[in-house]
Amino acid sequence: GAVVSQHPSRVICKSGTSVKIECRSLDFQATTMFWYRQFPKQSLMLMATSNEGSKATYEQGVEKDKFLINHASLTLSTLTVTSAHPEDSSFYICSAQNSRQVARYTFGSGTRLTVV
Amino acid sequence: AQSVTQLGSHVSVSEGALVLLRCNYSSSVPPYLFWYVQYPNQGLQLLLKYTSAATLVKGINGFEAEFKKSETSFHLTKPSAHMSDAAEYFCAVSPTNFGNEKLTFGTGTRLTIIP
Repeated sequence: GAVVSQHPSRVICKSGTSVKIECRSLDFQATTMFWYRQFPKQSLMLMATSNEGSKATYEQGVEKDKFLINHASLTLSTLTVTSAHPEDSSFYICSAQNSRQVARYTFGSGTRLTVV
Repeated sequence: AQSVTQLGSHVSVSEGALVLLRCNYSSSVPPYLFWYVQYPNQGLQLLLKYTSAATLVKGINGFEAEFKKSETSFHLTKPSAHMSDAAEYFCAVSPTNFGNEKLTFGTGTRLTIIP
């Protein structure tokens, strides 16, 4: 079955530094990647949608200069949290989709980011 | 526009009892509907999905859901709860028109199983 590998699973960084989260589709081509943020005991909020080779489309209220998304290949997308602050601490989850497979979304295992 | 409402942020059932998690949706186009389960500090695992085929959908771990257009509902059920079913459950909707396929999630229901 389709597998998405997300790394790291946990990261602690100092305030002001940047953190990169990787999301790889291992056995299929991810034409679209979705990045979500989840606060404790809350639902998933879509941050942005990226199509391979194109600029990401950000949801309203998400700072594109703070959350940099790169989707340069069909198997890799990255989310970089720049100049992280404690309020950026959250659980980040990616989801990959192949446009040839309708209604099929494969989720990564998530990244717990803690900014101290 | 699309949205999902999950009634009950917390549901507790006894082991062996019926599990019923409620989900109502709103969508301007025919929807695809999903149920996902999430264990602590993990990603989402697909339980089942409705993609306009059979209205009664069977998923993994004994779960099933029925799409009822007249009630705009997609409730999740399991005849007999198991301790391992304790988790967070999310209902989600996506439109069926190509090019606008992002998932919209409900607020989630935390299922607790009482021994």
